[in-house]
Amino acid sequence: QAVLTQPASLSASPGASASLTCTLRSDINVGTYRIYWYQQKPGSPPQYLLRYRSDSDKHQGSGVPSRFSGSKDASANAGILLISGLQSEDETDYYCMIWHNSAWVFGGGTKLTVL
Amino acid sequence: EVQVVESGGDLVQPGGSLRLSCTASGFTFSSYYMHWVRQAPGKGLVWVSRISSDGTIPRYADFVKGRFTISRDNAKNTVYLQMNSLRPEDTALYYCARDLDDVFDLWGQGTMVTVSS
Repeated sequence: QAVLTQPASLSASPGASASLTCTLRSDINVGTYRIYWYQQKPGSPPQYLLRYRSDSDKHQGSGVPSRFSGSKDASANAGILLISGLQSEDETDYYCMIWHNSAWVFGGGTKLTVL
Repeated sequence: EVQVVESGGDLVQPGGSLRLSCTASGFTFSSYYMHWVRQAPGKGLVWVSRISSDGTIPRYADFVKGRFTISRDNAKNTVYLQMNSLRPEDTALYYCARDLDDVFDLWGQGTMVTVSS
């Protein structure tokens, strides 16, 4: 089982909100991890969006709009990237990442479609 | 301009070697940890390796241990990735990224490595 699992795709409507999940392997407790989120547009390198561990331990990337936010769902053992007020430019790939066992680990990525 | 620029990617046969370079400019290179991250065509991001700011502490993903070596020359503002015993599955775009408090905040455009006979 992969350390981080992301749904391959997600669709949402313009103006709506989208919750992108990053589920940690069952033997890893999401509560102890900082979860990092990156956005990657076609043909470009990834860009850092934000980091979230708790409401008192979070960081927004420089210039990243406040409609991008992080949270956790402890019951699902998952980190969440919430994008509100979806815009067409949000349609792209998103990756989560954690530091685990002395290595950085990326999730497989979610392709967000805004339609 | 603050940037990192990768180079050295090429077509190489299985079992061959290649050295990638990442040259930084516009910031104090010696103050930052640096990473290599790769992305196979049409696939996701995979962390490969990291080196501490002074070059003394490398870290590797399990799948490259013993085959890849990361190093840096702070006088040349450059980080390297020496890749040996290359396999077809190492085919990917290799990105260099700067580490700012565990955030990969500056990425290059990548250099393509193709392992094929």
